[in-house]
Order: sequence, then structure tokens, then C-alpha cells
Amino acid sequence: GDSVTQMEGPVTLSEEAFLTINCTYTATGYPSLFWYVQYPGEGLQLLLKATKADDKGSNKGFEATYRKETTSFHLEKGSVQVSDSAVYFCALGSGNTGKLIFGQGTTLQVKP
Amino acid sequence: GAGVSQSPSNKVTEKGKDVELRCDPISGHTALYWYRQRLGQGLEFLIYFQGNSAPDKSGLPSDRFSAERTGESVSTLTIQRTQQEDSAVYLCASSYRTGSANYGYTFGSGTRLTVV
Repeated sequence: GDSVTQMEGPVTLSEEAFLTINCTYTATGYPSLFWYVQYPGEGLQLLLKATKADDKGSNKGFEATYRKETTSFHLEKGSVQVSDSAVYFCALGSGNTGKLIFGQGTTLQVKP
Repeated sequence: GAGVSQSPSNKVTEKGKDVELRCDPISGHTALYWYRQRLGQGLEFLIYFQGNSAPDKSGLPSDRFSAERTGESVSTLTIQRTQQEDSAVYLCASSYRTGSANYGYTFGSGTRLTVV
């Protein structure tokens, strides 16, 4: 079945460091890919998405490119801030079922 | 409404009691989903509704769990004879329609259930 695998956390970085959170997926067909973010004490928010191969999703300085050849959707940011501290979830959307399948989540801690 | 509304936000219950969680989706969203998030873990799909179609219950962990939805509005998730392993945050999400995974979901803030 479809699945998503994320790098384990926590990831601890200093402010202004470069961030990469790896995400790979297994799916039939052509899924859409998403990154959701969960700030402390808040609900999940959609951060960015890509609906087809080679698309790049971007928002708030974060980017991720849909790589069909490597079945990956790694999240990157050039310079993280303390306010980016949160749990990040990679997700795969099945166009047939509408279900989102989530990875386990990666906790990011950014220290000043 | 402006967002997905869930109630209560927190619920503490004794083992063996029944609980009912409520979700009010965004107006116009025909698809509604329930997920469970255990502490430190990812999101576990439970059930989804799409209009008047039969719901996909494939994620419900046991027959103690059930859910209903009235038309394209409010949904309730019921857990009977609660167990300590049911302790989790229960998240509801809605979207325009099934097959609209391209658009992602809008999540509510969740109900934190603690079974003591």
C-alpha cells in the first residue's frame, strides 16, 4: 500500500542554519504530495504542496520539489528561525480515495 | 464557518465510559475525515465521509469506534467502553470533495482525549 517515510527527529539547528527534512514515498499512480506543520499547541496547517512530478511547492521560505525518479519530496529552508520550531509532516494524497497518508513527523528545534 | 470546529477541545474520561467527539466542517466541504494522533506519533486514518456515499471505515481500530455524519455537516465520533490506549488527539479535517487530495485538507484543532 501507499506509504510515507520521513527522517527521524528531533532535528536541532541554530538560527540561520540550512534545513533539510527528508521524505520518501511509495505509491501507485500519481499522488499529490504535501508538507504540513504543527506548531506547539496548534492544529495542523498546510505548509506547501505539489501535484505533479517536477513541481516545486513553496511557502514562508520553505521549498520542496516533487521528484518522481527518486520518489522524494524533501523539505528545505535556507535560513531557519526560532519561530520555525514545530513538527513537520510529509503526506501523500491519493487522487482516487482522497485520503492523506502521513509520515511519522519530524520535530524541528531551532535554537537562538 | 471560517474553519473546522471540534469540540470538546479536551476530554478526560474514566476507563469504560463512552465518549462522543464532535466535528463541524467548513461550510461547502463535502468530504470529512477523522484521524487519530497518539503522543509522539504520526496521524492514523480512521474514517471518511463523502456526501451521501457509504463511509470508508477501513481505519477504525475496533468495533468500539463508530462515526456518523448528518448530510454534509456535523460529524460525531463515538468511542464506547474507552480504554487507556484510546488516549490521543482526535483530529477532524474537511475538503471540497473526495479525490480532492490535490487540495489538501483543512484540519480542526483536535480533541485531546485522556482515559484514566
